[in-house]
Amino acid sequence: DTGVSQDPRHKITKRGQNVTFRCDPISEHNRLYWYRQTLGQGPEFLTYFQNEAQLEKSRLLSDRFSAERPKGSFSTLEIQRTEQGDSAMYLCASSNLLAGGSTDTQYFGPGTRLTVL
Amino acid sequence: KQEVTQIPAALSVPEGENLVLNCSFTDSAIYNLQWFRQDPGKGLTSLLLIQSSQREQTSGRLNASLDKSSGRSTLYIAASQPGDSATYLCAVKETSGSRLTFGEGTQLTVNP
Repeated sequence: DTGVSQDPRHKITKRGQNVTFRCDPISEHNRLYWYRQTLGQGPEFLTYFQNEAQLEKSRLLSDRFSAERPKGSFSTLEIQRTEQGDSAMYLCASSNLLAGGSTDTQYFGPGTRLTVL
Repeated sequence: KQEVTQIPAALSVPEGENLVLNCSFTDSAIYNLQWFRQDPGKGLTSLLLIQSSQREQTSGRLNASLDKSSGRSTLYIAASQPGDSATYLCAVKETSGSRLTFGEGTQLTVNP
């Protein structure tokens, strides 16, 4: 168990470019979450998956954002036509929601810091 | 809509002092509450998780309490050390498997 990993750790891009981030959850975790954190704020929920199904999207997730989790393993978050306001830390978390309930603790990755110039 | 507030926003204490961080939430119908630590530029590390049926959890020098009816939680850190310097975040989960709603955090500095 190597924990949640995210790639890249840092991304600098110019306004208008597209970027894609990857998250690899803890092996066999069936839930995967994306959050966004701006400087001095707590993380804000973006979306989550159970296996390959995207179950909820925040209103923060504009049409320029898309997330996928093919085959219920890793996930990608793509931002099209980036804007300076997209600059933030993008955090991924995973959990194992078992039938019958559990603490469903979310384990977070190190994050991808995006800077849009 | 659930809102989570943390007070104070920043705290600076001398080494060895005991301290309390506060967290309040507006909707008391929560599933659990979790305290995290975040070092600058890093991800989140879970410290303590309290289920809605529990009143407190302890881990080493850390003790978290939960008063669900009043919508409050506290994180007590005993005998603080410079290595405790970080931002502490509380987050609530409203149902099993759902999103976390975070507060803005308390930035703690422990001075040697």
